[in-house]
Amino acid sequence: QQQVKQSPQSLIVQKGGISIINCAYENTAFDYFPWYQQFPGKGPALLIAIRPDVSEKKEGRFTISFNKSAKQFSLHIMDSQPGDSATYFCAAKGGNQFYFGTGTSLTVIP
Amino acid sequence: EAGVTQFPSHSVIEKGQTVTLRCDPISGHDNLYWYRRVMGKEIKFLLHFVKESKQDESGMPNNRFLAERTGGTYSTLKVQPAELEDSGVYFCASSRSGTVITGRGYTFGSGTRLTVV
Repeated sequence: QQQVKQSPQSLIVQKGGISIINCAYENTAFDYFPWYQQFPGKGPALLIAIRPDVSEKKEGRFTISFNKSAKQFSLHIMDSQPGDSATYFCAAKGGNQFYFGTGTSLTVIP
Repeated sequence: EAGVTQFPSHSVIEKGQTVTLRCDPISGHDNLYWYRRVMGKEIKFLLHFVKESKQDESGMPNNRFLAERTGGTYSTLKVQPAELEDSGVYFCASSRSGTVITGRGYTFGSGTRLTVV
């Protein structure tokens, strides 16, 4: 049973556009929601994260929006750049393990 | 500091053979985790070591998988005998004690891509 559902599977955005990736979860015991960025041949690396008592967190061009009542959270990448092209995973922490989404392959076209 | 090191980076084996994956965590990291991503699916937790002890192995698929962490340093994950459905990318991650709660100290290796043919 998949604990975190992520969409879309792939996304193509023009340079300068906004990339939006959505995730949903069911388990209200999850207490931390990170987003990971993975480049080919590399492991996932933490990009930005949020706790469930916060509705939004912004770091540079990256913003997480969190809706606790709807059990949904999303990643917004403003002014998307070709260097942002990667696979993005949302995740939720329960206990000492993370539950990941299926990943979104983002391609930013110059 | 050096990152989490995994090898081999790729392994292609025949069904029924044995494969051993290795993970060297960041020095001083007591927590070591194994995860797996089957193509197109989510990254799934396999198990968690604290030093040499298995803290949680609830994600191990079956008894064909054996993980060890002798001396609390590097870890190995052995698959014996390998089946076609074991194909995927196996990730290792490590963290210091007390840092996993934020995830910021949770560093992934580059993974081992295992293909069983």
